[in-house]
Amino acid sequence: GENVEQHPSTLSVQEGDSAVIKCTYSDSASNYFPWYKQELGKRPQLIIDIRSNVGEKKDQRIAVTLNKTAKHFSLHITETQPEDSAVYFCAARGDYKLSFGAGTTVTVRA
Amino acid sequence: AAGVIQSPRHLIKEKRETATLKCYPIPRHDTVYWYQQGPGQDPQFLISFYEKMQSDKGSIPDRFSAQQFSDYHSELNMSSLELGDSALYFCASSSQGAGTEAFFGQGTRLTVV
Repeated sequence: GENVEQHPSTLSVQEGDSAVIKCTYSDSASNYFPWYKQELGKRPQLIIDIRSNVGEKKDQRIAVTLNKTAKHFSLHITETQPEDSAVYFCAARGDYKLSFGAGTTVTVRA
Repeated sequence: AAGVIQSPRHLIKEKRETATLKCYPIPRHDTVYWYQQGPGQDPQFLISFYEKMQSDKGSIPDRFSAQQFSDYHSELNMSSLELGDSALYFCASSSQGAGTEAFFGQGTRLTVV
């Protein structure tokens, strides 16, 4: 089955700096890679996603890159703000299963 | 816009009791996923359904069962509850045909005492 690894597990950045989270996946059949933001006790919220036929996607301060050959994808948050503090999960999807990474706790220091 | 609805939001059960969690997917979504999330953990995939048939199975204990009904809502049945079953249970739905974005419900917090 799919195995998704995510690094780092914790990330502390100064407000205004950039944050980068990296994930690798094992199943070459995976074709969809979403990123979720989860605040304590709340549901995971989809923030951006990328499909296997695209190498990069950007939405305002958030961007995601995908390298299918190397089986890794990354989340980039620029100009971080305190409200970006949360746990971020990457995920990879093959057919009918969405497999999650272990999560990255991001803390933005004011 | 309609979202994924889960009920109940909170549930307290005693050990060895049974619990039933319900999930109502976004209209026209044909796939439902169930996840278990312990404190500080990532969501663990339990089981998924596509068009009312089980499509994939993860780390779901034999004490748990699930099904998807003709109206696409799904139920997770949990029997012989153990203290370790205490967790947040999320349901997510997506549409295989229209795209693959999966949206999560607000979750059911199950506490086993």
